[in-house]
Parts: sequence; C-alpha cells; structure tokens
Amino acid sequence: KNQVEQSPQSLIILEGKNCTLQCNYTVSPFSNLRWYKQDTGRGPVSLTIMTFSENTKSNGRYTATLDADTKQSSLHITASQLSDSASYICVVSAISGTASKLTFGTGTRLQVTL
Amino acid sequence: DADVTQTPRNRITKTGKRIMLECSQTKGHDRMYWYRQDPGLGLRLIYYSFDVKDINKGEISDGYSVSRQAQAKFSLSLESAIPNQTALYFCATSGETGELFFGEGSRLTVL
Repeated sequence: KNQVEQSPQSLIILEGKNCTLQCNYTVSPFSNLRWYKQDTGRGPVSLTIMTFSENTKSNGRYTATLDADTKQSSLHITASQLSDSASYICVVSAISGTASKLTFGTGTRLQVTL
Repeated sequence: DADVTQTPRNRITKTGKRIMLECSQTKGHDRMYWYRQDPGLGLRLIYYSFDVKDINKGEISDGYSVSRQAQAKFSLSLESAIPNQTALYFCATSGETGELFFGEGSRLTVL
C-alpha cells in the first residue's frame, strides 16, 4: 500500500530560526514528489516538485531535498518568518498507466512565533 | 479573482438533506478533482474528471456524486448528508505539469 509519513506532526519555532520537515514514502513506481503549503482556511499551494533525478531544489527560503534510494524528502526553511506559519503537505505521485496516482501525507503544522 | 472558485465557502445542514458544492475554474485545465480533508488525515480523493465526458471514482466516493457541466465547472453532491460527511472539501484542477491548483475550500457541517 502506498503511504506517505511526515514528521514532526507539529513544530513551534522562533522567528528567524531554521527548521527541517521530513517526508518518508513507500510509493511505487515513483514519479515525483511535491511539497505544498496550506495556510489556515486556505487551499494548498505548491512550493516545489522533485523528480527522481533531482537531489535538491530551492524556492526562495525553501529548499527541498530528495533521496530516492532511501525514499526520503526534506523541506528546509531558512530564516523563518511569521508568514511561514502553515501546514506543509508532502504529496508523492506514482505512475499508473497513463495517469498518476497521488498519495498525500497528513502534513506538518508549523507555527512561527516572536 | 481566484483561479478556482468554490461555493458555498461554509454550509451547515441537517442529516438527510441534499447538498451541492460547486466549483468553477479559469485555469483552462481539463482535469478537475474533489478532495475531502479531515483533521489528522491527508487529503482524500472523492471523484475526478479528465474531461467533460469523463468521470472517475476516487478512494472515498460512496455517498457522493459529481457532475461535470462544462470544462470549467465540476460540482459535488451529497444526496442525503450524514454527520460523518462533516469535513473541509476542496476542488482542484491540474494541467500538463500535474501541479494541483486548489480552491479555497468549502466547510460543510452536517448536524
């Protein structure tokens, strides 16, 4: 069964600090992995996509890594801001014929405080 | 204006009532989806449609139905709402890249 597990479930950090969120998956055959940011009361928004051949990708203060051998991904947030407070969802895509099947993690809820 | 618009944003109803959640998009995407989000659970796929004449069940379609009225419109119906259908519902679209574009969500409470 395809699964995506994220850790920690929740995290509180001080503004300006860095943090790293983890995503472990058992999805096969792997196509790609996306990180989404979901602000409270809003729909998720894509931050980055990682394909099999990519090890790291940055989007501003967000840097995602992928280790396809160990089936792990991380999202590193540098110099956190209050606006980073949100849930971060890892979504892994599996190839299924001509379509792709998505498996969602339950998310990490990040709170950035003063 | 939002690229993916859901109505209503909030709805409280009673057990047994029929409810329709509507979704419209200006992305020009063929693929549209309905997801359900519950606390502590990942987003779960209810139904999806790859074009106007294509409707597919997702992992939790029981108790739900959909209609794809046009490329830009995809509605979700609960024929007889029950309390465990209380949840946050999201409509989404995707294009060639597979990136999902979500609406703002419709919060449904069934009493």
